[in-house]
Amino acid sequence: GAVVSQHPSRVICKSGTSVKIECRSLDFQATTMFWYRQFPKQSLMLMATSNEGSKATYEQGVEKDKFLINHASLTLSTLTVTSAHPEDSSFYICSADLTSGSLENEQFFGPGTRLTVL
Amino acid sequence: LAKTTQPISMDSYEGQEVNITCSHNNIATNDYITWYQQFPSQGPRFIIQGYKTKVTNEVASLFIPADRKSSTLSLPRVSLSDTAVYYCLVILYNQGGKLIFGQGTELSVKP
Repeated sequence: GAVVSQHPSRVICKSGTSVKIECRSLDFQATTMFWYRQFPKQSLMLMATSNEGSKATYEQGVEKDKFLINHASLTLSTLTVTSAHPEDSSFYICSADLTSGSLENEQFFGPGTRLTVL
Repeated sequence: LAKTTQPISMDSYEGQEVNITCSHNNIATNDYITWYQQFPSQGPRFIIQGYKTKVTNEVASLFIPADRKSSTLSLPRVSLSDTAVYYCLVILYNQGGKLIFGQGTELSVKP
C-alpha cells in the first residue's frame, strides 16, 4: 500500500522556537494532504487541509499564522509551528489522499511526530 | 456534517468476534463510510471502507443497512494485538474528502 512518512518522529524544543515537520508521500503523488493534532487520550483533530500549489485551508480555531503549512510539491507538505509554547506539545499526524476527487477515498496516515515544548 | 457516534470502549476475549456499531444519521448521498485503527503513538491505519450492504476484506467485514444511518465493523476472532482504538468516519465528499474523527472505540482484548 501507499506509504506516508513524517520527519522528525519526535522533537523537543525550547519555548519560543519554531519547529518544522515534514510529511512525504513516498510512492504516490498527493494533491491534498491533511494535518491533525492529537492530545493524550483524545481523538485526532483536523487542523488544516494542505493543497499543492495553493494556500492551506484551516479549520475553525486554528491559527494560520502560528501553524504555517506549505505544500510545494505533490509529495511534500510541511507544517511549521512558530514560536512554540508548552501548550503546543502534542502528537502531530499528517495524511495524504490517494484518490483525490473520487467518491472512494482512502487516506494514508504518517506515523506521527511527537512535539514536546519545554 | 455527518457526525458519528460509537461506544467509548469495549472489552473482548481472544478468539471472539467483535462487532462495533457506529451511527451516522446525517450521512449524505455521496459520502462513504470508513474505519480506521490506531495504536498508541502511531498514525491511524485504514481497515475497511464501504458505501452500502456488506464489504469484506482480509481483516474485517463492514455491514451497512439500506438506510446507511449506521454501520457495523466486524472483527473475526480477535487477538491481543487487536487491542486499539477504532474510529468510524464518514468521508465528506463535498468537502474535499475531509475526515472528521469522533471519539473512537477503545477495544481491549483480554487473554
